[in-house]
Amino acid sequence: DGGITQSPKYLFRKEGQNVTLSCEQNLNHDAMYWYRQDPGQGLRLIYYSQIVNDFQKGDIAEGYSVSREKKESFPLTVTSAQKNPTAFYLCASSPQVLHTEAFFGQGTRLTVV
Amino acid sequence: GENVEQHPSTLSVQEGDSAVIKCTYSDSASNYFPWYKQELGKRPQLIIDIRSNVGEKKDQRIAVTLNKTAKHFSLHITETQPEDSAVYFCAASIVGNEKLTFGTGTRLTIIP
Repeated sequence: DGGITQSPKYLFRKEGQNVTLSCEQNLNHDAMYWYRQDPGQGLRLIYYSQIVNDFQKGDIAEGYSVSREKKESFPLTVTSAQKNPTAFYLCASSPQVLHTEAFFGQGTRLTVV
Repeated sequence: GENVEQHPSTLSVQEGDSAVIKCTYSDSASNYFPWYKQELGKRPQLIIDIRSNVGEKKDQRIAVTLNKTAKHFSLHITETQPEDSAVYFCAASIVGNEKLTFGTGTRLTIIP
């Protein structure tokens, strides 16, 4: 199923290295989001963007950075400043209207060794 | 900011019985409450949502109720089936703000 694509599905990095997770959508959605999913902690918002060239910090933005240069793309960089980067990362998008369905990507499992 | 609490964290029910998952929220300005289902190894998908101008919404075997005064909302699944086994997340957001805050999830297991 298409719509919103995350790549790669699995990613391994050495401690101290920055890593960028890709998120692309062809749904013409204005809003895009990055969530982190850890066991027992649900989905926690890292960053979100409501329009191109604009984004806001979520609840756990420290150690992460994003860009929104194109409507279709919202890459997430996990920097070496993130203390516990090993997690499952989910990207989502939704139309810029009053509260409609958020469509999620398949996720990227990042393991830092 | 908004805080969403979800209970229980795990729930097992016999096939055919009903399941209820409850969530509370902290910000009285929240007015949109979706529920997402995440099957094992798959992405979360919206199953039902409710806005603050209604108290209940049904879709076949699934229903959601909202009590704005108490700031809580619940998911009800009737006549449960094995394919209902999944992790369910509630969420809340405020009109005009695209930020969606999720609960911690409930792992529902349907026992055949």
